[in-house]
Amino acid sequence: QQQVKQSPQSLIVQKGGISIINCAYENTAFDYFPWYQQFPGKGPALLIAIRPDVSEKKEGRFTISFNKSAKQFSLHIMDSQPGDSATYFCAASTASNTGKLIFGQGTTLQVKP
Amino acid sequence: DGGITQSPKYLFRKEGQNVTLSCEQNLNHDAMYWYRQDPGQGLRLIYYSQIVNDFQKGDIAEGYSVSREKKESFPLTVTSAQKNPTAFYLCASSRRTGGNTGELFFGEGSRLTVL
Repeated sequence: QQQVKQSPQSLIVQKGGISIINCAYENTAFDYFPWYQQFPGKGPALLIAIRPDVSEKKEGRFTISFNKSAKQFSLHIMDSQPGDSATYFCAASTASNTGKLIFGQGTTLQVKP
Repeated sequence: DGGITQSPKYLFRKEGQNVTLSCEQNLNHDAMYWYRQDPGQGLRLIYYSQIVNDFQKGDIAEGYSVSREKKESFPLTVTSAQKNPTAFYLCASSRRTGGNTGELFFGEGSRLTVL
């Protein structure tokens, strides 16, 4: 019940295309859902986060869509660029301890020029 | 610049040896964390500490130990009891405001290889 399942494991997208990464969770106590971006040899960095009181959050080319009833959330990267090539992790936690994150398995995104 | 410093970046050790990974932060964050990253498994929490002189086990604490004697430091020891220690280790910190610790800030990681 503590798991966060992420798919796909890897993704190849052409420059300018839309990248979509999906995550699903079971624990209904989760109410903080961040996405982290990690470049090779570096630590992850927060990209965007959402709380379940909204169904969508957009920051530039990055959008989180959240479906509370289905217990799913997804990251959309519009107009994908080669510089977006990285590993993306979804995560979840409860509001009482948002630092204790449960991470998905990660998605390696390659954006081809 | 504020941030998290992990050292060493790369470490090779023989089986049966204990290894200590350093993590220092100058962000004045109360909470600190150690995660382990393996290919295809995401990040898994080893230990976390929300205040000096106190820490809690995460999901995979067996074979690891930590200390939190100073706010800015949270070293991780990988003991000989850890059966599969070869991995990428990430230290992180976050603010602590009541029960809401907020965004995690990660260091650049330490890659441990046990020969």
